[in-house]
Amino acid sequence: KQEVTQIPAALSVPEGENLVLNCSFTDSAIYNLQWFRQDPGKGLTSLLLIQSSQREQTSGRLNASLDKSSGRSTLYIAASQPGDSATYLCAVRTLIQGAQKLVFGQGTRLTINP
Amino acid sequence: GAGVSQSPRYKVAKRGQDVALRCDPISGHVSLFWYQQALGQGPEFLTYFQNEAQLDKSGLPSDRFFAERPEGSVSTLKIQRTQQEDSAVYLCASSLLGLAGNEQFFGPGTRLTVL
Repeated sequence: KQEVTQIPAALSVPEGENLVLNCSFTDSAIYNLQWFRQDPGKGLTSLLLIQSSQREQTSGRLNASLDKSSGRSTLYIAASQPGDSATYLCAVRTLIQGAQKLVFGQGTRLTINP
Repeated sequence: GAGVSQSPRYKVAKRGQDVALRCDPISGHVSLFWYQQALGQGPEFLTYFQNEAQLDKSGLPSDRFFAERPEGSVSTLKIQRTQQEDSAVYLCASSLLGLAGNEQFFGPGTRLTVL
């Protein structure tokens, strides 16, 4: 059974710092991995989608890496801003266990202090 | 429409009541998903449709939960005889094709509170 873990559960940093959020998964047979952002009371906004054949994706100040063999992904946020404060979720789509569904981690709650 | 929409955004029900939650996917999207998100947790898969066919309902927690998508567009998630443990945010997502690599786009969710 695929399980996704995110560390840390919460993170608070001063504005301007670079930071890394971690995601690990137990089953390396995945189609892709997706990072989402969730603001309080809102739905999920997709940030980056990494296919299983890719090693990283970049969008603006965000960079996500994928190491399928070790079951890990990181989300790197450069020059953090207060507007980056939100919960960040990673999710994997697994080949074996119901390929169409996403399996989510519990999220990292990020606070950027001005 | 421009994105996935859900209604109502908030629903308060008394224990034992039936509720119906609606999802309007992005126009033309073949696949539709329902997820349940408890407070402080990540979303958990409930069920998946491709057009009008319900291909996976392995995540539905009990036979009180029922989902339909009769015309392959709008979907309704129905919960009968609601219990307090049903309190959660119910998220709907859609994707263009029935392919595993396709990105899922999420709606804002319906927050259900069962008293």
